Amino acid sequence: GAVVSQHPSRVICKSGTSVKIECRSLDFQATTMFWYRQFPKQSLMLMATSNEGSKATYEQGVEKDKFLINHASLTLSTLTVTSAHPEDSSFYICSLKAGAGYEQYFGPGTRLTVT
Amino acid sequence: GNSVTQMEGPVTLSEEAFLTINCTYTATGYPSLFWYVQYPGEGLQLLLKATKADDKGSNKGFEATYRKETTSFHLEKGSVQVSDSAVYFCALSRGTSYGKLTFGQGTILTVHP
Repeated sequence: GAVVSQHPSRVICKSGTSVKIECRSLDFQATTMFWYRQFPKQSLMLMATSNEGSKATYEQGVEKDKFLINHASLTLSTLTVTSAHPEDSSFYICSLKAGAGYEQYFGPGTRLTVT
Repeated sequence: GNSVTQMEGPVTLSEEAFLTINCTYTATGYPSLFWYVQYPGEGLQLLLKATKADDKGSNKGFEATYRKETTSFHLEKGSVQVSDSAVYFCALSRGTSYGKLTFGQGTILTVHP
């Protein structure tokens, strides 16, 4: 399967600061990227979907001004958590796919802790 | 809306034991059903899938059958190995594409020698 990396794997930031998480496809071109959030002992919750060349589509209840998603290229997507607060502490996971009908490939996740 | 419910974990088994992880779903229409596995330190990987009723997905000795009458997609393996220790997620997607996925909460499986 395809290889997806996320950076950083763990990050600790202070309340009020912003943090950027990168998601890279190392060996294929991703036309669609997804960002998920996972709370302890809970399922992955889809935050947003972005297609190459267009703005991200956010799920209901997800603040687009707080969670900025940039589908910079076919191999890179970034999620920026702006003005982070302790309740934003979570595990953030990206996934990529090459087009309709293609399997999603997941990154290993980024653990964000806001103090 | 769509939802997926998995059996509570964690599940602890001895090597060569039989595994069942229950999964039921609620969805409109005819969703596709998936099992994903996450090994420690790695991203989720597709384990198997089924796209229509009565389909059986299988991979690496794992099987799951799409049961529309009971809205279930239980994961089974006849003889688990230590290397099967991981977190298992049941998921559904509307239609037959690998589009937006709705996940269950995940079940931690630990297999002891």
